[in-house]
Amino acid sequence: GESVGLHLPTLSVQEGDNSIINCAYSNSASDYFIWYKQESGKGPQFIIDIRSNMDKRQGQRVTVLLNKTVKHLSLQIAATQPGDSAVYFCADKSGNTPLVFGKGTRLSVIA
Amino acid sequence: ETGVTQSPTHLIKTRGQQVTLRCSSQSGHNTVSWYQQALGQGPQFIFQYYREEENGRGNFPPRFSGLQFPNYSSELNVNALELDDSALYLCASERGSNTGELFFGEGSRLTVL
Repeated sequence: GESVGLHLPTLSVQEGDNSIINCAYSNSASDYFIWYKQESGKGPQFIIDIRSNMDKRQGQRVTVLLNKTVKHLSLQIAATQPGDSAVYFCADKSGNTPLVFGKGTRLSVIA
Repeated sequence: ETGVTQSPTHLIKTRGQQVTLRCSSQSGHNTVSWYQQALGQGPQFIFQYYREEENGRGNFPPRFSGLQFPNYSSELNVNALELDDSALYLCASERGSNTGELFFGEGSRLTVL
């Protein structure tokens, strides 16, 4: 991954609103992408994944969009809840290589 | 819960010391990866073990070493600790090698003084 500073990008949303978290990746050969959620003091938790032959995938309250042309990935969370407050990471891999994690975005939900 | 357990959860060491961190993988998972997560950053890949052999390594010096045992549990060893080694060390297991479907433990937080 690229070097990052100590300050994470932050997104604040009102409870009940939709959240959109964005991620740019650099490896044009990446073929698998995952979003992880990391709560304070815990390890990353799998949310949703998508392969490069798709451009959209939906889960429960979450949707991942993939734009390979501009190497951009987004996570949409519907009806954001206080329990969604966490740091969200995108990660990508190419073939048989390890996952490479992005910078992370801190989502704060305002009740 | 992911079924991946790590120990210890927290520890404090001084520069120059050595540390061993342990990880028990999820049942049926034969691959373990270790990641270092500095404060405010994403996890950085250290190395991976598949069926007791190192199967890929990130940009970390040789003083970071590991083992995987026949029961697929794993150890991360760091020698000659430096202040910058202070971080959360995450273990992740998966069924098969580099499938991408990682299950993470809660991590071991190392502080080097």
